[in-house]
Amino acid sequence: GAGVSQSPRYKVAKRGQDVALRCDPISGHVSLFWYQQALGQGPEFLTYFQNEAQLDKSGLPSDRFFAERPEGSVSTLKIQRTQQEDSAVYLCASSLWEGWPDEQYFGPGTRLTVT
Amino acid sequence: GESVGLHLPTLSVQEGDNSIINCAYSNSASDYFIWYKQESGKGPQFIIDIRSNMDKRQGQRVTVLLNKTVKHLSLQIAATQPGDSAVYFCAENKTGNQFYFGTGTSLTVIP
Repeated sequence: GAGVSQSPRYKVAKRGQDVALRCDPISGHVSLFWYQQALGQGPEFLTYFQNEAQLDKSGLPSDRFFAERPEGSVSTLKIQRTQQEDSAVYLCASSLWEGWPDEQYFGPGTRLTVT
Repeated sequence: GESVGLHLPTLSVQEGDNSIINCAYSNSASDYFIWYKQESGKGPQFIIDIRSNMDKRQGQRVTVLLNKTVKHLSLQIAATQPGDSAVYFCAENKTGNQFYFGTGTSLTVIP
């Protein structure tokens, strides 16, 4: 079956530009997560949705980062006024349940390069 | 200024040998752990999980051991194959649905 998909796969932005990264989770998955993965490091939690509700955004590094999931399926991570330190791979993951922590299925990521 | 990336711990094994990858976790209250495999250009892929009420769990060619006393996890891969070459991460569940990932270990299998 279809897994988690993300688009675009690669994005180059000039410093100061706004970007929008899209995630299509597995159909029927209640939970959706965004992670940021810098080169040579493990993924770092950004934010978590249960259906359309953003229950945890404690990992968002600044108010330039904004995420939404208005209909409880597709999610968009928006970064305003991009900075060089925003360069990273942004991973989206989904899981079936909303209660007990469960296996997360990851997408391939969007590699963002800010020049 | 120039940024310097972190250097991942590395492990090289001969094809057919067993591999052991170690991970120390930080929170004694963490109650769920997952090992992920990440190949270049791909997202992390689930390998095996373990809950804190267990010490050991086995899958196909993989075994995870959990030592809560010293907050240590290990992943054992039997008869390592070239396709096992990747970066391996352990992830711990601390609160709610948040998972925290370690820095990873790069495994290289020598044919």
